[in-house]
Amino acid sequence: AQSVAQPEDQVNVAEGNPLTVKCTYSVSGNPYLFWYVQYPNRGLQFLLKYITGDNLVKGSYGFEAEFNKSQTSFHLKKPSALVSDSALYFCAVRDGSGSQGNLIFGKGTKLSVKP
Amino acid sequence: ETGVTQTPRHLVMGMTNKKSLKCEQHLGHNAMYWYKQSAKKPLELMFVYNFKEQTENNSVPSRFSPECPNSSHLFLHLHTLQPEDSALYLCASSQEGRRTEAFFGQGTRLTVV
Repeated sequence: AQSVAQPEDQVNVAEGNPLTVKCTYSVSGNPYLFWYVQYPNRGLQFLLKYITGDNLVKGSYGFEAEFNKSQTSFHLKKPSALVSDSALYFCAVRDGSGSQGNLIFGKGTKLSVKP
Repeated sequence: ETGVTQTPRHLVMGMTNKKSLKCEQHLGHNAMYWYKQSAKKPLELMFVYNFKEQTENNSVPSRFSPECPNSSHLFLHLHTLQPEDSALYLCASSQEGRRTEAFFGQGTRLTVV
């Protein structure tokens, strides 16, 4: 069965420093991978996705993610963190059910960026 | 604004009440979803509708009853809930296909007393 793992419950970063939020996946077939962000009391917002092609994917708000097939990872990165990036981040994968698969989410990683 | 609207944003209900959550999407998508988000737990997929047909029911108790009258509207009818059902209920929609991302509403914060 398809699954994603986010090994860190929380990541703490100083403003201006680079950030990485980790995600590993387990899929059969081609992986379709997604990152979402959730601010307090809000729904999830789509950041970026990997479908095929270039392993480095660029998304919203300056975020990017690197697909690594050999390590089955899809880590989220940003070169310079902002305090406003503090939020809950979810990695997701499409599973193999039905004609389109369902989005299966990791448990989330809380990112805290301090001034 | 993601194009997916959920109402109400907050709901407090007693265990004997009947209430409904509403979701509407203005994106022309043909798949809609209900997720449950509880504290310290992963998002749980509850129901999936494709072209108004229910294609997934992840062992959800019958006190939760979904309804999808058309591809733009999705309801979650609630009846005799338990306090442990208190959570953020998220609706999402997507275009058909594995390559597509889902767009989420802002959620309904449900408290069962």
